[in-house]
Amino acid sequence: NAGVTQTPKFQVLKTGQSMTLQCAQDMNHNSMYWYRQDPGMGLRLIYYSASEGTTDKGEVPNGYNVSRLNKREFSLRLESAAPSQTSVYFCASKSPRQAVYNEQFFGPGTRLTVL
Amino acid sequence: GESVGLHLPTLSVQEGDNSIINCAYSNSASDYFIWYKQESGKGPQFIIDIRSNMDKRQGQRVTVLLNKTVKHLSLQIAATQPGDSAVYFCALREYGNKLVFGAGTILRVKS
Repeated sequence: NAGVTQTPKFQVLKTGQSMTLQCAQDMNHNSMYWYRQDPGMGLRLIYYSASEGTTDKGEVPNGYNVSRLNKREFSLRLESAAPSQTSVYFCASKSPRQAVYNEQFFGPGTRLTVL
Repeated sequence: GESVGLHLPTLSVQEGDNSIINCAYSNSASDYFIWYKQESGKGPQFIIDIRSNMDKRQGQRVTVLLNKTVKHLSLQIAATQPGDSAVYFCALREYGNKLVFGAGTILRVKS
């Protein structure tokens, strides 16, 4: 199993450009999450999807949209990138059937720079 | 929203010594706490968890202590090794199964 995969690994955008960060998991998990991590700070939740077909806002949703394409895939879109969105983005997934309740499995991250 | 903080942003320990990483939280209703380890360039990795009805839980070389009275969580790593060098995050569960993360503590192991 690949676990949680994210593409791309690195991206540089100009202000105003748009892009979509892709995330996929092969663990048959129900819940998926998008976080951002800024220097000196913990992870902050952007959006999450408790199950296929549902999405909800997290702590910092402004400037982002998400799509839960199917059970495996959860994408994050920046419609008009801003320098404040320069960050490392992590996708995570979790299954309620896991022995360790609430353990989230994280992808390797996407490092995004907005100029 | 909930806030989770750490006492020490950087901890340097000698290889073989024990490490203690601390975390303070403010939401007394939180019932589940987790420690994650993040190595450079990688995503966070689960280490150990503890429920609020427990005071202590042990894993392999790691122990988590929970003091609900003072809202304090700690991670103890026995016989710290160079491979333990990483950033360590505490996290607690909020409503809706969402996790709130602390800012992180850098652990540096000196050989």
